[in-house]
Amino acid sequence: QQQVKQSPQSLIVQKGGISIINCAYENTAFDYFPWYQQFPGKGPALLIAIRPDVSEKKEGRFTISFNKSAKQFSLHIMDSQPGDSATYFCAASIPGNQFYFGTGTSLTVIP
Amino acid sequence: GAGVSQTPSNKVTEKGKYVELRCDPISGHTALYWYRQSLGQGPEFLIYFQGTGAADDSGLPNDRFFAVRPEGSVSTLKIQRTERGDSAVYLCASSSLGLGEETQYFGPGTRLLVL
Repeated sequence: QQQVKQSPQSLIVQKGGISIINCAYENTAFDYFPWYQQFPGKGPALLIAIRPDVSEKKEGRFTISFNKSAKQFSLHIMDSQPGDSATYFCAASIPGNQFYFGTGTSLTVIP
Repeated sequence: GAGVSQTPSNKVTEKGKYVELRCDPISGHTALYWYRQSLGQGPEFLIYFQGTGAADDSGLPNDRFFAVRPEGSVSTLKIQRTERGDSAVYLCASSSLGLGEETQYFGPGTRLLVL
């Protein structure tokens, strides 16, 4: 059973556009929600993370929107650049426990 | 280096052989995790160490898989009688687990290919 459901599987965006990736979860015990960026041949690298006590967190061009009642959260990449082309994973965890990862979104930003 | 390191970066073995994969966590991180990532999928949890002990090994697929962390730092994932289905990228992550420090930092992974 997939604990975190991620969509879309792949995404193509024009340079300068907004990339949006969505995730949903069921376990209300989750209280830490990171997003990871992974380039081919590399391990996942933390991009941005949020806790459920806030509805939005912004770091540079990256924003997480969190809807606790709907048990959904999303990553928005503003002014998308070709260098953002990578696979993005959402995850959720209970403190001190394993991360449950989504299935990933392959983002391609075309010039 | 300051990050998580894993060796070897690539491992090719034959079906039935034994392999060991090593992880060096970030210095001072008490928590260490092993994940397995198949092509086109997200990482899947295998085992979690808090210090020297395995706090949660519920993700190990069967008894061919075993992991140790004898001194609370370096960890080794051991796979006996490898099967072709074990081919994947094995990722290690570490965390300090202090308040507000749940972030897991991942190594580059070991790409295992079982022929």
